[in-house]
Amino acid sequence: AQKVTQAQTEISVVEKEDVTLDCVYETRDTTYYLFWYKQPPSGELVFLIRRNSFDEQNEISGRYSWNFQKSTSSFNFTITASQVVDSAVYFCALSGFNTGNQFYFGTGTSLTVIP
Amino acid sequence: DAMVIQNPRYQVTQFGKPVTLSCSQTLNHNVMYWYQQKSSQAPKLLFHYYDKDFNNEADTPDNFQSRRPNTSFCFLDIRSPGLGDAAMYLCATSRSPGLAGYNEQFFGPGTRLTVL
Repeated sequence: AQKVTQAQTEISVVEKEDVTLDCVYETRDTTYYLFWYKQPPSGELVFLIRRNSFDEQNEISGRYSWNFQKSTSSFNFTITASQVVDSAVYFCALSGFNTGNQFYFGTGTSLTVIP
Repeated sequence: DAMVIQNPRYQVTQFGKPVTLSCSQTLNHNVMYWYQQKSSQAPKLLFHYYDKDFNNEADTPDNFQSRRPNTSFCFLDIRSPGLGDAAMYLCATSRSPGLAGYNEQFFGPGTRLTVL
């Protein structure tokens, strides 16, 4: 079974604070892909990152960083020095190699950055 | 810019009146998806096309149909909308997965459907 859990429903932080969004996944596939998407109030889901299961390197892109740990089945997302424009709903998603293009989304974390 | 386009952005229909939502893409991706997203929920996959092959999710109601006349266009038809069908409908595209994956999905802006 494929499942993604985002335990944090809503988070509020003050601008310039760091914030980490948690994502825990379950899969029986040995090859799989993890994703993060941002959904601002406008509604469009914006692709942020894809990570392959065979690549556990963490990644940093500007103020965004991702920590992938297979040992704990987690793929956490950290925003450093948060800004108001980071306010959005963030979805973590899983796709298994054997399930083709099917995405399994978490329930999302709503982030509010307070100026 | 290559993109996924959805029209209209807002659609109002009456209970039971058929409605069609459209999606087009300039990415030349061979896979296209339709998702339903209700307020404060994750997107729920309704069906997808892998080239011309239609793949319906087991729990997608028969009320929802889809057409893909060519690579660029895909339509979502709701034959008899009910109040419970009011939602955001998202179209997405991707390349087919290969050995390295490369199967991230690219989403359109969505069509918000209101049923009166």
